[in-house]
Formats: sequence, C-alpha cells, structure tokens
Amino acid sequence: SQTIHQWPATLVQPVGSPLSLECTVEGTSNPNLYWYRQAAGRGLQLLFYSVGIGQISSEVPQNLSASRPQDRQFILSSKKLLLSDSGFYLCAWTNRGGDQPQHFGDGTRLSIL
Amino acid sequence: GNSVTQMEGPVTLSEEAFLTINCTYTATGYPSLFWYVQYPGEGLQLLLKATKADDKGSNKGFEATYRKETTSFHLEKGSVQVSDSAVYFCALYSGAGSYQLTFGKGTKLSVIP
Repeated sequence: SQTIHQWPATLVQPVGSPLSLECTVEGTSNPNLYWYRQAAGRGLQLLFYSVGIGQISSEVPQNLSASRPQDRQFILSSKKLLLSDSGFYLCAWTNRGGDQPQHFGDGTRLSIL
Repeated sequence: GNSVTQMEGPVTLSEEAFLTINCTYTATGYPSLFWYVQYPGEGLQLLLKATKADDKGSNKGFEATYRKETTSFHLEKGSVQVSDSAVYFCALYSGAGSYQLTFGKGTKLSVIP
C-alpha cells in the first residue's frame, strides 16, 4: 500500500534562518506531488506542485522554493524565513491523471520566532 | 476559473443531531468532487468522493450526492458524534489537463455531548 511521510512534525525556527521540509512517498511510482500551507483557522493554499523529477510549478510568489531530486521525494526550502511563513505545511500525492483523490501527509507545524 | 464555496463555520451541534454542510462549485466540464476531513493537528483524509452526476459518495455514515443541476455536493450525516468534530473541506478536480484540486475554505464542526 502507498504511504506518505513528512518530517519533522513540528519545527520552531528563528526569523532569517533556513528551512528544509521533506516529504517522501512509498508504494507508487511517478506520483504528482504537492505542497500546501494552511494558516491558522484558514483554508489550504497550494504552494508548489510537481509532475516529475526536476519539474516544479509555483503557485504563489514568495521566499519559499521546492525541489524534487527523486521520483518520490519532495522538499520545501527557504534561505531566510519570515514571520509570515508560520503555518501548517502539508505534502500530498496523487496518481497521474489527477482525478484520483490526493493523499495527505500528517503535516509539519512550523512556528517562526 | 474553478471555485468551491462552502458554508461559513463554525458549526456547533449536539450529539445525535443531523448535519448538513453546504458546498457549491463552479467548474468547466464535468469535475470530480471530494470531501476531506481534518482532525485537530492532523493532515487531511479523504472522506468520500463522487466522479459523475447523481453519484452518491458515502463513508462512516456521511453522504454527499453530486447534483449537476444545482452544482452542489452537500455533506450530510444523520446523527453526529463527538468524534466527528473536525474541519471539513469540499474540493473539486476539473480535469482538462489540470493537476490541481480546488478546495473550499473549510467548515469547522464542533459536536458537544
């Protein structure tokens, strides 16, 4: 069966520090991968999605970036975090075609001090 | 473009009450429709889905019927439990080369004993 792993589960970082969140999927090949952010009490904001290795589409201009170095690995990064980057970050995958439901990881709670 | 509109929350119900969370959508073509549930501190889980008009998705006592004529996908449950307290998201996938789900803003449900 397919599983998705995100880590860390929680992270507290100072303003201006770098960030690296990792997401891996097991049990499937060539998934579409997604990063979302959920601010407190708000809906989901799609940040990036990827349909293949090295292919990244950005939905929102910001100081975050994403990379897909391997088929089932998706990384969210920042060189310098801002206070506004605080939130709950969710990784998701779906099979090609997109009409299959997206499957979400357990999320990373990021707090910027 | 595509959009999903959910009823504003929060919704507070007593245990065993009837639940309806309204969801309407705007999309080109014939989208697939989904309901996701997010329990406190967790990622999103697929609750149910429907892929064509008049389909009824059901799971864990929840139901939703894809109504093309009213562009709606309302979530219902006959008797809610305290354990149903969560945030519920309606979402659509429109196909046509898109790789993205369009999410509503979420509706927070609190069930009190």
